[in-house]
Amino acid sequence: SQQGEEDPQALSIQEGENATMNCSYKTSINNLQWYRQNSGRGLVHLILIRSNEREKHSGRLRVTLDTSKKSSSLLITASRAADTASYFCATDAWRDDKIIFGKGTRLHILP
Amino acid sequence: GAGVSQSPRYKVAKRGQDVALRCDPISGHVSLFWYQQALGQGPEFLTYFQNEAQLDKSGLPSDRFFAERPEGSVSTLKIQRTQQEDSAVYLCASSLSTGFSGGYEQYFGPGTRLTVT
Repeated sequence: SQQGEEDPQALSIQEGENATMNCSYKTSINNLQWYRQNSGRGLVHLILIRSNEREKHSGRLRVTLDTSKKSSSLLITASRAADTASYFCATDAWRDDKIIFGKGTRLHILP
Repeated sequence: GAGVSQSPRYKVAKRGQDVALRCDPISGHVSLFWYQQALGQGPEFLTYFQNEAQLDKSGLPSDRFFAERPEGSVSTLKIQRTQQEDSAVYLCASSLSTGFSGGYEQYFGPGTRLTVT
C-alpha cells in the first residue's frame, strides 16, 4: 500500500519557471523524504525533512512540512530541462526504517 | 565509490519459472531494502534486512516471494512459479541506518526489469 499521494499527477512547465509539487500522507510520520527518478540516473534522494522541522532548503529545492495537515510540498526554482523526471515523497514512521512511497508527480520541463 | 548494483538488469521468464534477482549493496551499509515498482507507480516496499536479519517482510505479495541475505551483504530476491502480475521493476536499496531510527537516505540500484510471458 502507498502512504503518500502526490499532487498533481503530472505537470508541464516552461524552462526557468518554478515547479511546485505536493504530497499528502495518511498516518503520523517521523521523517519525510523526496526522491527523483529518471531513466538516466534511476531513483535518487533529494532531501529529507524531519517531523519537527517546517522548512528545508537544498540548492534550488525548498521543502515544507505541515504535520497538522499531513502534507509536504517540494518547490524547484528556476527549472531546467534536466529536472524532467518523476518526483516521489516517501515517509517513515516512528522507530521504523522502512519508507513508504507515494505514486509520484511526473514533471516535464518544456524548452 | 561503487553504488548499489543489481543483476540481471533485464529478465524474461516464462510463466511458472523460478527467478532469482541479486543485489549488491554499498559496502558497509547495514540496511537493505527490496521494492517492486509497476509502470507509472511509485516503488512498493517488499522486505527489509538489517545485516542478515529479515526484520520486515510485510510487503511480500505472496509466499512465492522469498528474500535472503545470509552473510549480511549480498541479497537475493527469489520468485517461485512466476505469474504475469509479477512483471515489474524490482529495486534494491541500501542505507547506513543501523537501528529503528529512520531518517536515513536510501541509495538505490538501477533495478531489474522482470517480464513474465
